[in-house]
Parts: sequence; C-alpha cells; structure tokens
Amino acid sequence: EPEVTQTPSHQVTQMGQEVILRCVPISNHLYFYWYRQILGQKVEFLVSFYNNEISEKSEIFDDQFSVERPDGSNFTLKIRSTKLEDSAMYFCASKTWGTQETQYFGPGTRLLVL
Amino acid sequence: AQSVTQLDSQVPVFEEAPVELRCNYSSSVSVYLFWYVQYPNQGLQLLLKYLSGSTLVESINGFEAEFNKSQTSFHLRKPSVHISDTAEYFCAVSGVGTSGSRLTFGEGTQLTVNP
Repeated sequence: EPEVTQTPSHQVTQMGQEVILRCVPISNHLYFYWYRQILGQKVEFLVSFYNNEISEKSEIFDDQFSVERPDGSNFTLKIRSTKLEDSAMYFCASKTWGTQETQYFGPGTRLLVL
Repeated sequence: AQSVTQLDSQVPVFEEAPVELRCNYSSSVSVYLFWYVQYPNQGLQLLLKYLSGSTLVESINGFEAEFNKSQTSFHLRKPSVHISDTAEYFCAVSGVGTSGSRLTFGEGTQLTVNP
C-alpha cells in the first residue's frame, strides 16, 4: 500500500540554524500539508499546498517558514532560523483531489532545537 | 473556524471492556469529522470518518462513531477492546467546502488497555 514517507526521522539542530524537512507524498496525490505537534500539545495545521502554490496557511506559518515542491516527488518544509519553540514533531500529509478525500500522514520528523 | 475538544486525556480500561472516547466540536460551517489513531512511533492513521449520510460510521476493527449534530459530538466507541487498541486517538474536523481542507485536531486521548 502506498504511503507518505518523511526524512529524517529525527533532527537535532542549534538555534538559529536552517533546517529542511523532507516528505515524499503518495504519487497520485495533489494536495500536500504540513502539521506540527509540540510535545504534550495538539496537532496543529501549518500549511496546505496545491498546484505549486500555498492554498492556506495558519498564523504559525510566518516568514521563517517556507514550502517547496522542487521536483515531481518531494515536498519540503524549510525553517530559516530555528527557535527553541520550533521543537516539535512535524507531520507531512497528502490527499487526492476533492475536499472529502482522506489525508494520509507520514510518520513524522522529530525536530529538537537546542 | 473550527475547534475540537476531547474531554478525556487518558482512558485506562481492561481488556474486553467497552470504551467511549468523547469528542465535541464547534464550527460556523458544516463539517466533516474524522478519528485518527497513532500507535507508538508511527504516524497518524485514519480510523473512520463521517462525510454525509448515515450518522453512524464504523471501522474495520470494530470501532464506531456517531455524528450528533444537535450535540455537536462525534464520540468513538468500541464494545470490547483489545490490548492492541492501546494508542493515542485524535478527533479532527474540516470545514465542508473550505479551501485546502485543513484539519483541526483535538488534544488527543491516550487509550491504555490493560490485561
């Protein structure tokens, strides 16, 4: 069964450094998402991406964040200058067309900012 | 905008006992409703969803949830749980017809099934 994959599974970085989290969505999916879960808190929406542009973003997704689909398979989340409060589990998700389709989630990348 | 409240952060039960995980939502528009499950060290997996039609929806592993519009609830139930059901369960909503279809999650309920 096709699945969403994410790399790396864990990343440790110093405050102020740039990180890129990578995702490979399911191949025929058209909508892509990033969510995050700070330890002990709920899963929060960051951004959705469709047709090579951002379709919606939350108030969390400020100028330090960016997303890109550099080729036909990868979907990346870049955090330009990490802060301690960016430490979280980051989930990528994808779905096919239509608002009713299920979002399929990857296993997550655990980011720790020191 | 939507919000979701899961009333119980932890639910311990014994094997073969029934369980109910509670979920309430608020929204200014019609919603789709979802339950996701997260096993240790894994991603979120869809358990079941309500889109339209029958208000009672079922999963392949014996869970069911009922959409109650008047009470704005979508509680998850299982009549007899197994050890393997131990996991974290997340209730989520998305707005019907909203651009991008973002999911809004509840805080999660840790279900622990004891022998």
